[in-house]
Amino acid sequence: QQQVKQSPQSLIVQKGGISIINCAYENTAFDYFPWYQQFPGKGPALLIAIRPDVSEKKEGRFTISFNKSAKQFSLHIMDSQPGDSATYFCAASTRITGNQFYFGTGTSLTVIP
Amino acid sequence: EAGVTQSPTHLIKTRGQQVTLRCSPISGHTSVYWYQQALGLGLQFLLWYDEGEERNRGNFPPRFSGRQFPNYSSELNVNALELEDSALYLCASSSYGGISTDTQYFGPGTRLTVL
Repeated sequence: QQQVKQSPQSLIVQKGGISIINCAYENTAFDYFPWYQQFPGKGPALLIAIRPDVSEKKEGRFTISFNKSAKQFSLHIMDSQPGDSATYFCAASTRITGNQFYFGTGTSLTVIP
Repeated sequence: EAGVTQSPTHLIKTRGQQVTLRCSPISGHTSVYWYQQALGLGLQFLLWYDEGEERNRGNFPPRFSGRQFPNYSSELNVNALELEDSALYLCASSSYGGISTDTQYFGPGTRLTVL
């Protein structure tokens, strides 16, 4: 059973456009929602994270929007660049299960120059 | 600061064999996590070690096991390899354990191919 559902599976965006990746969850005990970026041949790297007590968090061109009532959160990449081409994973965790991260299945983003 | 390191980079084994993967966490980190990244399945949680103890285990059979050493490095053992064990095995570390907001830092992974 996939605890965190991520969409789309792949995304193609023009340079300068906005990339949007969505995730949904069911477990209301989740209290930490990180996004990871993974380049080919590398391990995932933390990009940005949010807790459910805020609805939005922005770091540079990356923004997480969080909708607690809908149990959804999304990553927005503004002014997308070819260097942003990577696989993005959302995740969720709760201290109840001892810091185990539940990951989405990933979104392969391609930014076309 | 050195990141999480894993060895070997690649492994090719045949069905039924056993394999050991190794991970060294970031200096000062006491928690080590193991994940399996199979094609199309995202990252699946395998094991979590903290202060030398197994703290949590994912939904994997007992032939997946591991341990954490006094220096906080860790190894993952997989016995009786099956074809579906072919995947990228990722190790991550964090500075604490049991707190959901602990940032996990990943290593580059070990690519295991089972023939």
